[in-house]
Amino acid sequence: GEDVEQSLFLSVREGDSSVINCTYTDSSSTYLYWYKQEPGAGLQLLTYIFSNMDMKQDQRLTVLLNKKDKHLSLRIADTQTGDSAIYFCAESIGGTSYDKVIFGPGTSLSVIP
Amino acid sequence: EAQVTQNPRYLITVTGKKLTVTCSQNMNHEYMSWYRQDPGLGLRQIYYSMNVEVTDKGDVPEGYKVSRKEKRNFPLILESPSPNQTSLYFCASGTGGDRYGYTFGSGTRLTVV
Repeated sequence: GEDVEQSLFLSVREGDSSVINCTYTDSSSTYLYWYKQEPGAGLQLLTYIFSNMDMKQDQRLTVLLNKKDKHLSLRIADTQTGDSAIYFCAESIGGTSYDKVIFGPGTSLSVIP
Repeated sequence: EAQVTQNPRYLITVTGKKLTVTCSQNMNHEYMSWYRQDPGLGLRQIYYSMNVEVTDKGDVPEGYKVSRKEKRNFPLILESPSPNQTSLYFCASGTGGDRYGYTFGSGTRLTVV
C-alpha cells in the first residue's frame, strides 16, 4: 500500500544541523517533496528531488534519497529559529490518469535559541 | 500573485447546519484537491478534481461534497456537519505530481459544536 512515515517531533539547538527523516513504501515514486508549514499557514513547497537522483543541495538544504531503502532525508544546516515549523515529506506516485501525492504525518521541528 | 484563496479562515458552526468552504485559484491549474489535517495524521485527501465537472473521492470523503463547475473554483460542502469534522482544511491546486508540487491555501479552521 501507499504510506509515508516520519517521526513526529525533532528538537535542535540554534546553529546545529537538523536532519528530518522519512520512509515511503511505493517504489514507483516519481518525485519526492519536502513541504514546510509555518504556524497558522498552509504548506509551502520547500524542495523536491526526482526519483533518479541521490542528492540535491539548495543553499542550507540538502536532500538525500536512498531508493533501495525507500528513505528520504532533509538536512538543514545552521538551523535558525525561523526554521521552526512542521515539515512534511510527500511522494508522487504515477497513476493511470494522474499522479497522486501522498503526504506523511509531518515532523514538528523546534529550534532552541 | 499566484495563489489559492480559501474562505473563511475560521468557522464555528453547529451540528447539522449546512456550510460551504470556498476555494479559488488563479493559476489555471487543472488539478484541485481538498485535504483535512488532524494532529498525528498528517494530510488526508477528501476529494480531488482533475478538471471541470470531473471529481473523485479521496481517502476520507464521507460527509463531504464538492463541485467543479469552473476551472478556478472548487468549493467543499458539508451538508450536515458533525463534531468529528472539526479539523483544519486545506485546498490545493497544481498540474499533477511534477517538480512544482502543489500550491496550498492558507487553511480553514472549522469547529463543529
